[in-house]
Amino acid sequence: DSGVTQTPKHLITATGQRVTLRCSPRSGDLSVYWYQQSLDQGLQFLIQYYNGEERAKGNILERFSAQQFPDLHSELNLSSLELGDSALYFCASSVRTAYNSPLHFGNGTRLTVT
Amino acid sequence: GESVGLHLPTLSVQEGDNSIINCAYSNSASDYFIWYKQESGKGPQFIIDIRSNMDKRQGQRVTVLLNKTVKHLSLQIAATQPGDSAVYFCAENDMRFGAGTRLTVKP
Repeated sequence: DSGVTQTPKHLITATGQRVTLRCSPRSGDLSVYWYQQSLDQGLQFLIQYYNGEERAKGNILERFSAQQFPDLHSELNLSSLELGDSALYFCASSVRTAYNSPLHFGNGTRLTVT
Repeated sequence: GESVGLHLPTLSVQEGDNSIINCAYSNSASDYFIWYKQESGKGPQFIIDIRSNMDKRQGQRVTVLLNKTVKHLSLQIAATQPGDSAVYFCAENDMRFGAGTRLTVKP
């Protein structure tokens, strides 16, 4: 058990809708990262937050947004959903930044857009 | 067995053999590298890391080798077991992951 909790585990929704994915990092970890993994694909880095502030941005669409709250949990908001957004979305956390410490991943939220 | 990572994304080995998974990185300024294992239906799990001031680091049944001259990283798994079957990713310190290599262990 990595200590990172993601909810919900599964989400099925229709095109055009909006969903929110939630992540609770490991106790003590200040950094939260979001990744997208399509079927049999690699992990695409979306965005990183450190202690409430956006630290780095990857290939995140404008329809997607995220935030990290004072209690350090994070939410990823996906809007105007398209079929191609169907994927596994992983949250990871680390003590500091990815520059000098490994990431600890949750087990993901599987999003299906129909 | 040996894999070239991005060029040969699948590696199949016999139980008990040693496995070598390779990864090429592009950023010569990277100074921290990590290997992760992802089992089906789960998130990636940290295996071992290495900093650029080292060439080799050993863990339990795993060894990571770093060749900064050719920007190459490898993960060696000794006496591969069925439980080692998974996708293995390398990552550089800018949080970007390689494409991954699927390791299948035949009993």
